[in-house]
Amino acid sequence: SAVISQKPSRDICQRGTSLTIQCQVDSQVTMMFWYRQQPGQSLTLIATANQGSEATYESGFVIDKFPISRPNLTFSTLTVSNMSPEDSSIYLCSVVVLVGYGYTFGSGTRLTVV
Amino acid sequence: EDKVVQSPLSLVVHEGDTVTLNCSYEVTNFRSLLWYKQEKKAPTFLFMLTSSGIEKKSGRLSSILDKKELFSILNITATQTGDSAVYLCAVEYGQNFVFGPGTRLSVLP
Repeated sequence: SAVISQKPSRDICQRGTSLTIQCQVDSQVTMMFWYRQQPGQSLTLIATANQGSEATYESGFVIDKFPISRPNLTFSTLTVSNMSPEDSSIYLCSVVVLVGYGYTFGSGTRLTVV
Repeated sequence: EDKVVQSPLSLVVHEGDTVTLNCSYEVTNFRSLLWYKQEKKAPTFLFMLTSSGIEKKSGRLSSILDKKELFSILNITATQTGDSAVYLCAVEYGQNFVFGPGTRLSVLP
């Protein structure tokens, strides 16, 4: 399966600021996915990032709040903009490398907004 | 509305016990059901199930899917404290992928 390097692993940020999370995959993948896991909740898909096109956002998530870049087949970033305490969550990127082996996740970013 | 339900949401057992975790789903265009173990931040893949009645096994963990009754179970035998985690069920359907709420398993020594 793929190895995904995600950073930062954690951060504490002031409200109103922005944080960019990076994911680097050790192999080329067509689609990368960004998830949010709020405290005590399950994973919720934010958006799907395809190389060379705009990300596709799920209901309740907008590009102005969560801009995504996908400059090549091994890298993506998610920015959490104009943060508020409600954005405090774990953010995860994931990919599918081999059909039949599910999704592989990055190590996650634990974000706390104060 | 498409959904994935897991039960129980929380479970406390002692080492050596056997546990069964449940996942039921209501989706259209079902493609697969996946089980993950989440200990800290990132879920780790356990099983992917696409066919009914075929048990998948990995050590003390096993899982089976019933596509007629729309559910799956994850069994863990001879539990160990290292099995303590949140177990997530996810369903892939059409172009979508949705997670259940998870079962938080605590294994006491």
